[in-house]
Amino acid sequence: AQSVTQLGSHVSVSEGALVLLRCNYSSSVPPYLFWYVQYPNQGLQLLLKYTSAATLVKGINGFEAEFKKSETSFHLTKPSAHMSDAAEYFCAVSGNSSSGYALNFGKGTSLLVTP
Amino acid sequence: GAVVSQHPSRVICKSGTSVKIECRSLDFQATTMFWYRQFPKQSLMLMATSNEGSKATYEQGVEKDKFLINHASLTLSTLTVTSAHPEDSSFYICSARGRGLRGDTQYFGPGTRLTVL
Repeated sequence: AQSVTQLGSHVSVSEGALVLLRCNYSSSVPPYLFWYVQYPNQGLQLLLKYTSAATLVKGINGFEAEFKKSETSFHLTKPSAHMSDAAEYFCAVSGNSSSGYALNFGKGTSLLVTP
Repeated sequence: GAVVSQHPSRVICKSGTSVKIECRSLDFQATTMFWYRQFPKQSLMLMATSNEGSKATYEQGVEKDKFLINHASLTLSTLTVTSAHPEDSSFYICSARGRGLRGDTQYFGPGTRLTVL
């Protein structure tokens, strides 16, 4: 079964600093990987996704992630944090066809951005 | 991108009542819909997968008689929480996949906040 593990339930960075949110995956087949952001009391917004094309994926709001098969990782980065980036971030992996491609989510990482 | 709506966005009900949540794909035919539940400050957990015209497949530990799912058309799936209790209070989110789309294409609704008093 496909799964993801997010390292660090809380990450705090200063405004303007590098954002690094970690995600490792486990999958028996080439995975589809996703990063979503969730603001308080709102639904999910897709930041970016990896679908076996380019290993460096660029998303919205200046975020990007790199798929590293050797490390089974898909870490999310942003060069310079903004206050508006404070939110909950979820890494997810798509299940296989037998599951209808349901997503398996990590436990989430809460990003705090300090002035 | 495609749009998925949910109704209502918020609902408060008394313990013992039933609540129906609708999930609609507005501009595409959703052959598969997923229902997730998110408890406060936790991740999303898959509850069930429904395919149009067939019975939903429930995840282990999810009571199918309590959480009734109907995917009667290619644009509508409903989740009915029967005899709701305070422990059912949660954020319920649906997502939908369209016909012929790859596994990387799934659209999420905005969620429904259920509070059971």
